[in-house]
Amino acid sequence: DSGVTQTPKHLITATGQRVTLRCSPRSGDLSVYWYQQSLDQGLQFLIQYYNGEERAKGNILERFSAQQFPDLHSELNLSSLELGDSALYFCASSVQNPDTQYFGPGTRLTVL
Amino acid sequence: AQSVTQPDIHITVSEGASLELRCNYSYGATPYLFWYVQSPGQGLQLLLKYFSGDTLVQGIKGFEAEFKRSQSSFNLRKPSVHWSDAAEYFCAVGANSNSGYALNFGKGTSLLVTP
Repeated sequence: DSGVTQTPKHLITATGQRVTLRCSPRSGDLSVYWYQQSLDQGLQFLIQYYNGEERAKGNILERFSAQQFPDLHSELNLSSLELGDSALYFCASSVQNPDTQYFGPGTRLTVL
Repeated sequence: AQSVTQPDIHITVSEGASLELRCNYSYGATPYLFWYVQSPGQGLQLLLKYFSGDTLVQGIKGFEAEFKRSQSSFNLRKPSVHWSDAAEYFCAVGANSNSGYALNFGKGTSLLVTP
C-alpha cells in the first residue's frame, strides 16, 4: 500500500458524458501527478500540481482538466468522453519536486 | 527528443534463473531513474531508484539495478527469479523538462516465469 488513494476504482460511462476522478496523496506530499495508461499509448503524463498550483502539463487533452484543493487532494475532470478515453488513470504523489513518486491503485475508466 | 526504451516486450525465464531487464534512455543530463512493477489489475510499485551516488542500487524483493552513464542504461537484475515476480516491469526517467519532473515511462517488459 503506497498511501495514495484513488476513487472510484472502476467507472463505466457513455460517450459524451463527464466524470471526475479523485486522488488523495500520501500524508505530507505536496505534489500530485496524473497519468493515463492505455494499451496503445502506454503510460503517459497528463498534469502535475504542487501545493495547489499547476506545475507542469503533459499530453493532456483540452477536454480534461484538474485541480488540487487546499487539503491537497486532487480531482481529474474528463468531459465529452470518447471511446478512446477508456484507460487506467493513475495518480501519484511526492513530497517535493523532484522526488520519488508513489502511485495509487488507479481508476479504470470504460467509455461505452 | 527525450525517450526511454525497453527493448524486450516479453521475457520468459525459469524459476530460479537469473533475470536482466534492459532499459536505455536518451536525455541531455543525468536523469532520475526508476523501476516500477505492475501486477495484473494493480497499481505501480516502486522497486528501486537512482538519483546520484553509487551506481549500483538495491531495491525491494531482491532486485538491483546499475546505472551506466556511458551506455545510457539502467538495467534491472535479479539473481534468482521467483514465480511471484511474474508481472509487467516499467523503467521510468525523470528529468527537468517542460513537463517538470514528470516521469517518462518505457513501454514495459512483461515477465513470465515458468516452473
